[in-house]
Amino acid sequence: QSALTQPASVSGSPGQSITISCTGTSSDVGHYNYVSWYQQHPGKAPKLMIYDVSNWPSGVSNRFSGSKSGNTASLTISGLQAEDEADYYCSSYTSSSTLVFGTGTKVTVL
Amino acid sequence: EVQLLESGGGLVQPGGSLRLSCAASGFTFSSCAMTWVRQAPGKGLEWVSTFSSTSGNTYYADSVKGRFTISRDNSENTLYLQVSSLRAEDTAVYYCVKGGRYCSGTSCFYFDYWGQGTLVTVSS
Repeated sequence: QSALTQPASVSGSPGQSITISCTGTSSDVGHYNYVSWYQQHPGKAPKLMIYDVSNWPSGVSNRFSGSKSGNTASLTISGLQAEDEADYYCSSYTSSSTLVFGTGTKVTVL
Repeated sequence: EVQLLESGGGLVQPGGSLRLSCAASGFTFSSCAMTWVRQAPGKGLEWVSTFSSTSGNTYYADSVKGRFTISRDNSENTLYLQVSSLRAEDTAVYYCVKGGRYCSGTSCFYFDYWGQGTLVTVSS
């Protein structure tokens, strides 16, 4: 049950687009379209941003988009805003019938 | 409105036990898988355990298997996590989360609602 691999930090200027990667294996990300993404502001509970690779929950801005290629999933934030500064985590279902989170990425808006 | 309210956290000595509770409302609790996720201070999220709504099966992370027990009372809309043989590395905020398997017959391998968490501190 090794954590999925994410970059420790990603930064961008307001209005720019950034992409966060989430690398797993053929037993999790590569095998199932059950990748989700979460945003967490300091001291707050995580919030679901994307589910099933590329679907938006109700109320989430379409500036957030998800995709997957092979064993790597990605979250793209377009039109970066100050409020997007937060930690982001990916998650995937696994062939062991468990779920696993990514290592987390701190997004900084310059 | 979906609400998840955890309770039962606190300070416990190594080797001790606690029972965490999560009172759920605003959705058909019995039809949805429920999960516990934890986050150690300054660290990332860690999936702990899921209780399936359909099969009644339970699933655990290797790090807690044999020490933690997840259960639910559908008549009380309450999820539990019995944590035993606690270690310093179990110190974390424990979140009760809706989802993790199936909800009302639809796949739900994600977590769409989170409680505010309850802090478990393991220290002598």
